[in-house]
Amino acid sequence: GAVVSQHPSRVICKSGTSVKIECRSLDFQATTMFWYRQFPKQSLMLMATSNEGSKATYEQGVEKDKFLINHASLTLSTLTVTSAHPEDSSFYICSAPRTGSYNSPLHFGNGTRLTVT
Amino acid sequence: GQNIDQPTEMTATEGAIVQINCTYQTSGFNGLFWYQQHAGEAPTFLSYNVLDGLEEKGRFSSFLSRSKGYSYLLLKELQMKDSASYLCVLLMDTGRRALTFGSGTRLQVQP
Repeated sequence: GAVVSQHPSRVICKSGTSVKIECRSLDFQATTMFWYRQFPKQSLMLMATSNEGSKATYEQGVEKDKFLINHASLTLSTLTVTSAHPEDSSFYICSAPRTGSYNSPLHFGNGTRLTVT
Repeated sequence: GQNIDQPTEMTATEGAIVQINCTYQTSGFNGLFWYQQHAGEAPTFLSYNVLDGLEEKGRFSSFLSRSKGYSYLLLKELQMKDSASYLCVLLMDTGRRALTFGSGTRLQVQP
């Protein structure tokens, strides 16, 4: 079964509003979670690394004030798209490493399809 | 940076064998993953290579040659459900455990 739960799976919002996406690790603790974005027919691009108890690390070109990340507990990270615009419409996916092994595969949430009208 | 190159699309016949190639240019990485992704869904793990050589896992095998900057994913006994994108992914040697994804190869399996 799923080891990472992501919610909502789909969301449609109006331009200018904010949207929160939740990512939960099930039955394991995740001190680190990764947030990716994927545009149609393109690959996943890492947006930021969410760190429990500290500030997120953002990739170059990703606006910190627009994509707010909070990792308040060992099982929950949230991504808030603030003042969303149509160009923010994309597929957002979170992932988390399950075990302490550096080389263990990441487990992904099922993704959130965001459409901004 | 780490350029990862894969063919954009491939077509194969049900029951056949297909090899998806991946080449990369990078200064260092810990390992290379292959993930499968169906349209609109999250990627799922297929295989992981750290050392050179072949890793076999049922109908799927993955090969890595670090000296040649080359990997491939081999799918045998193709099934219709294998129609998906296949992502060549590097685990960079940065300590952050973040993955770097190739653009993916869309495989279409035909009857």
